[in-house]
Amino acid sequence: NAGVTQTPKFQVLKTGQSMTLQCAQDMNHNSMYWYRQDPGMGLRLIYYSASEGTTDKGEVPNGYNVSRLNKREFSLRLESAAPSQTSVYFCASSPRDSPNQPQHFGDGTRLSIL
Amino acid sequence: SQKIEQNSEALNIQEGKTATLTCNYTNYSPAYLQWYRQDPGRGPVFLLLIRENEKEKRKERLKVTFDTTLKQSLFHITASQPADSATYLCALVEDMRFGAGTRLTVKP
Repeated sequence: NAGVTQTPKFQVLKTGQSMTLQCAQDMNHNSMYWYRQDPGMGLRLIYYSASEGTTDKGEVPNGYNVSRLNKREFSLRLESAAPSQTSVYFCASSPRDSPNQPQHFGDGTRLSIL
Repeated sequence: SQKIEQNSEALNIQEGKTATLTCNYTNYSPAYLQWYRQDPGRGPVFLLLIRENEKEKRKERLKVTFDTTLKQSLFHITASQPADSATYLCALVEDMRFGAGTRLTVKP
């Protein structure tokens, strides 16, 4: 019962470095999402993919890029990391991009940028 | 743009009591509102969904209400237990917005 798997679980970067956060789901879901969670601010949507082959910006897309590699995988890339991107990043999936569908979350990647 | 607010950052109650958490939104009423539970170091887990034409939804010891006039949803946990201690998030998924959450602590 893997559900949504995120790698890595923890990462420390230096300012200006790049990295890719990986996400994979095994529930045959069509839609996938990337959020960041900061204290007191709740989850904020970075990018989402309503279906394989499509991606769209969310509330806070600046400084990030995404790739929907296939139906299972949705990666998030930081091209030039900044301290403001220190956060916990969550990937989620849902059967389809509809407000009556629950989202299934991974356990997050804790990213610190020095 | 739509804002979603969970009034209490933290709520402490005694075991056996009913916990009531509040979620308010600012603009138009969503067609659906969802509630999630998040444990420390884990991702949110879906609990309940309520539709705008439903006044109340129940699941075991959980009850959610939805008042479109007040632009508010209430989340109740009856006969609370220490295992209910967690952060609870409300979400307007059609806006892809989540509240900041209320951290509930149930003391034995």
